[in-house]
Amino acid sequence: DVVMTQTPVSLPVSLGGQASISCRSSQSLVHSNGNTYLHWYLQKPGQSPQLLIYRVSNRFSGVPDRFSGSGSGTDFTLKISRVEPEDLGDYYCLQSTHFPLTFGSGTKLEIK
Amino acid sequence: QVQLEESGPGLMQPSETLSLTCTVSGFSLTSNGVGWVRQPLGKGLVWMGTIWAGGSTNYNSAVQSRLSISRDTSKSQVFLKMNSLQPEDTGTYYCARQEGYWFAYWGQGTLVTVSS
Repeated sequence: DVVMTQTPVSLPVSLGGQASISCRSSQSLVHSNGNTYLHWYLQKPGQSPQLLIYRVSNRFSGVPDRFSGSGSGTDFTLKISRVEPEDLGDYYCLQSTHFPLTFGSGTKLEIK
Repeated sequence: QVQLEESGPGLMQPSETLSLTCTVSGFSLTSNGVGWVRQPLGKGLVWMGTIWAGGSTNYNSAVQSRLSISRDTSKSQVFLKMNSLQPEDTGTYYCARQEGYWFAYWGQGTLVTVSS
């Protein structure tokens, strides 16, 4: 199985500040069709996960442009600029290039 | 709009068979796949399996021998059945609509507790 290593585990940020979360995979996430299936989710307290970014860098409908994704191969990053209170929660990366689909272990974004 | 709603028994005994239903609206099961994701209490997300728009399935090998996912397209329902339940199967079970190879819309989840 592809292991997704997410860091940091906890990320204290100031409101209005910037946050960066890393996700590294144990093998390349480039699919045989050339696409890279790495996605980012936010799970707010008591809620279901919600899709933020799909295929590395594409923002899902309604996601503010404060969220951006980048990376390639095995190394990916989610950046959040101008952090707002509604951004707090647990962030997960997901790879769906290889079966079984696997999630990172999560990063808790909290107020400093 | 797209909606998914999980339903199930809540409390199960060890060794029993879990049956969950995901009722969807706003899309057709023949157009989008639906996956199941489990989240143990206070822990991370684990993909369990997916039934694709064409009706084929993929399962996580960790639970494959115990898991079955099926659907009734006429009722817009997807079913999860998992046998030989153990306490470690306790958690919140989500169904989610696949958009290609990722999950775009999620249900609110249903908590399943396995305890004697």
